[in-house]
Amino acid sequence: ILNVEQSPQSLHVQEGDSTNFTCSFPSSNFYALHWYRWETAKSPEALFVMTLNGDEKKKGRISATLNTKEGYSYLYIKGSQPEDSATYLCASRDRGSTLGRLYFGRGTQLTVWP
Amino acid sequence: NAGVTQTPKFQVLKTGQSMTLQCAQDMNHNSMYWYRQDPGMGLRLIYYSASEGTTDKGEVPNGYNVSRLNKREFSLRLESAAPSQTSVYFCASSLRSGAPNYGYTFGSGTRLTVV
Repeated sequence: ILNVEQSPQSLHVQEGDSTNFTCSFPSSNFYALHWYRWETAKSPEALFVMTLNGDEKKKGRISATLNTKEGYSYLYIKGSQPEDSATYLCASRDRGSTLGRLYFGRGTQLTVWP
Repeated sequence: NAGVTQTPKFQVLKTGQSMTLQCAQDMNHNSMYWYRQDPGMGLRLIYYSASEGTTDKGEVPNGYNVSRLNKREFSLRLESAAPSQTSVYFCASSLRSGAPNYGYTFGSGTRLTVV
């Protein structure tokens, strides 16, 4: 079982603030890192899948970076909006997981106040 | 709309009853997964199926069985429900299990309460 840690557990910001949170994962045998956005009463939706050290992905105001050597990924939200309120999950996969199995962190719950 | 369909959305069972959670995807994905979500816990894998005809245990398989009926459908069965199985269950699928770049598509979840 891979130990995937996310911090902080929850975050409250004002509309317009930029924010970031962290996902830590085992760096040995790394294969892929996924980020998902999970709104209340909905199902998780894929944001990014990253595999290479130094990878940066961007979707609108949301971006993510990956450091596979030290085992962490950052998710950034620029100019947070109330509609960004959700739980952000990261999940890691190692090379031993040949069957596509992901290990999820507990998520960071983001609340953006208008 | 293409995606992962789970039924039912809500269910209340009495201890000892059995039921099957249904999951179907129409994206021609090879791999399918069942997770449970409990307060304060991350998503925990119950069972998965890398391809039609194969199933494997995840982290928390006890009390559950699965069937990969065909490429589209992957069902989860509780033979004798227990209060500890009260949870939200998510089915997910991905295109190929062997490649790193494919994300999961999740169903909308089944909220199960065992009394």
